[in-house]
Amino acid sequence: EDQVTQSPEALRLQEGESSSLNCSYTVSGLRGLFWYRQDPGKGPEFLFTLYSAGEEKEKERLKATLTKKESFLHITAPKPEDSATYLCAVTSYSGGYQKVTFGTGTKLQVIP
Amino acid sequence: DTGVSQDPRHKITKRGQNVTFRCDPISEHNRLYWYRQTLGQGPEFLTYFQNEAQLEKSRLLSDRFSAERPKGSFSTLEIQRTEQGDSAMYLCASSSTENYGYTFGSGTRLTVV
Repeated sequence: EDQVTQSPEALRLQEGESSSLNCSYTVSGLRGLFWYRQDPGKGPEFLFTLYSAGEEKEKERLKATLTKKESFLHITAPKPEDSATYLCAVTSYSGGYQKVTFGTGTKLQVIP
Repeated sequence: DTGVSQDPRHKITKRGQNVTFRCDPISEHNRLYWYRQTLGQGPEFLTYFQNEAQLEKSRLLSDRFSAERPKGSFSTLEIQRTEQGDSAMYLCASSSTENYGYTFGSGTRLTVV
């Protein structure tokens, strides 16, 4: 069974203090790894898709990387508006159809 | 097109009542997904449509849950004889391709009292 573990569960940073969020996964036949941002009371917002080990994607202060066992979401010089829960998800094929498994997320708080 | 729309945003119902939620995906997206999310957890897959065909349904989905997508456009999710354990955020998402990020709606928050 596919598994996704995110750490830490919660992270509190001072504005400008860079850090990384971790997503470890166990999946048979990874098709893609996704990062989403979720604000309270809203649906997840798509950030990145990574398909193969060594791949990197960047968007503003966020950079996502992928290895064969884990992905990191690096946040450089975060601002208070980066506060949100960051979700990781993996896709694989099961029974002929795409299956998506989400982690429980890392709740990030950036303090001014 | 302003994204994925879900209606209602909030629903409070008494235990044992039936509820129905609606999702309007992005018009050019042929794939539609329903997820359920409880506090502190990631979204949990419920069911998946490609056009009007329901191609996959989670084993976790009891027979009190049913979903439809007539004509491959909007979708409805019905829960019959609601239970307190059904209280959650019900999220709808759509995508145009198989392995690209989903666009999620803002969800319907169900509270069963």
